[in-house]
Amino acid sequence: SQTIHQWPATLVQPVGSPLSLECTVEGTSNPNLYWYRQAAGRGLQLLFYSVGIGQISSEVPQNLSASRPQDRQFILSSKKLLLSDSGFYLCACVWTGIGDTQYFGPGTRLTVL
Amino acid sequence: DAKTTQPTSMDCAEGRAANLPCNHSTISGNEYVYWYRQIHSQGPQYIIHGLKNNETNEMASLIITEDRKSSTLILPHATLRDTAVYYCIVRATGTYKYIFGTGTRLKVLA
Repeated sequence: SQTIHQWPATLVQPVGSPLSLECTVEGTSNPNLYWYRQAAGRGLQLLFYSVGIGQISSEVPQNLSASRPQDRQFILSSKKLLLSDSGFYLCACVWTGIGDTQYFGPGTRLTVL
Repeated sequence: DAKTTQPTSMDCAEGRAANLPCNHSTISGNEYVYWYRQIHSQGPQYIIHGLKNNETNEMASLIITEDRKSSTLILPHATLRDTAVYYCIVRATGTYKYIFGTGTRLKVLA
């Protein structure tokens, strides 16, 4: 079955600290993977997407970066968090070969103080 | 930028049909219409999608106008658990980006 895991579920970090959020998926190989951010009361902002290992497309220039070290692993990072990085971070997946529908993980709620 | 426009909010009485509109006047021939909903503090949940024909599944129905410039998501018998933000997006076959707008906040009233 297809499942998306994200951790941690919640995170509180000081300004200027580093960040690492992890997303792993179960199911077919070579999924398309996505990172979104949702600020409080706002819609979803596409941050990064990846169609293969080591391949990252960035949608919004900012102090965040993404990496895909393994086929089913997608990592969102920052060297120095800003207050504006607070939000709900969602990992999403399209399982290629099983239609083009995008499915979402449970999310990580990040608060930067 | 999102290629769809939706009303900011709507109310619906419990047990009645909820009809959520979406305008996508610049839609191309190879772009599908997708609907998702997001219950507070959860990831968005896929509901339904379509190209040009009306679609129905266990959750909802999708009605797409003949010119494809707008669509309506229908929840036939809304319950309190249907209270959520509903997103309508368009995506072209073979592309990778799913761009979400601000959605419609549906409140189902008892």
